[in-house]
Amino acid sequence: AQSVAQPEDQVNVAEGNPLTVKCTYSVSGNPYLFWYVQYPNRGLQFLLKYITGDNLVKGSYGFEAEFNKSQTSFHLKKPSALVSDSALYFCAVRDSLYNFNKFYFGSGTKLNVKP
Amino acid sequence: DADVTQTPRNRITKTGKRIMLECSQTKGHDRMYWYRQDPGLGLRLIYYSFDVKDINKGEISDGYSVSRQAQAKFSLSLESAIPNQTALYFCATSDLAAGGDANEQFFGPGTRLTVL
Repeated sequence: AQSVAQPEDQVNVAEGNPLTVKCTYSVSGNPYLFWYVQYPNRGLQFLLKYITGDNLVKGSYGFEAEFNKSQTSFHLKKPSALVSDSALYFCAVRDSLYNFNKFYFGSGTKLNVKP
Repeated sequence: DADVTQTPRNRITKTGKRIMLECSQTKGHDRMYWYRQDPGLGLRLIYYSFDVKDINKGEISDGYSVSRQAQAKFSLSLESAIPNQTALYFCATSDLAAGGDANEQFFGPGTRLTVL
């Protein structure tokens, strides 16, 4: 079955430090992987995606993510966190083989960046 | 995303009432989706539509119905609202063209629905 797991409900990091938000997935075919961010009282905003090619994907606001096929992971990273990065982050996957019409979302990880 | 709008933004209603949530988009996308968001559960798909003649159930469609009035409009109805339908509801769109299935979704601002 297709699924996405975000093992951490919350991640705390100090401003200026690197951050990582974890995501693992399970699909039958090749995955299409996405990261979204949600600020309070807003809808989800697209950050980046992996479809094929280079395992390191760069996206908006200085975020990047690394696709690891053997570990079925797609962790979101940023070298230096900002207080304004504090938000709720969602990982999503689309199966290229089965149920390709649907996105499957993780439960979300709340990122707290402290000054 | 301002190109995807939802009305109302907030709604409080009572058990048994019929409620309609509306979504409009100016992005020209063929695909539209309705999700609900509950704390700790992420987003769950209620219904999706790939054009005005195509409606499909998602993982939690019971108690909901939808109407795709035009390419730009996709409405979600709760025929008889119940308290466990209290949630944040999002409409989303994606483009069939160009990247096709690899295209990301664009979300509206959400409707916060409370059923008493």
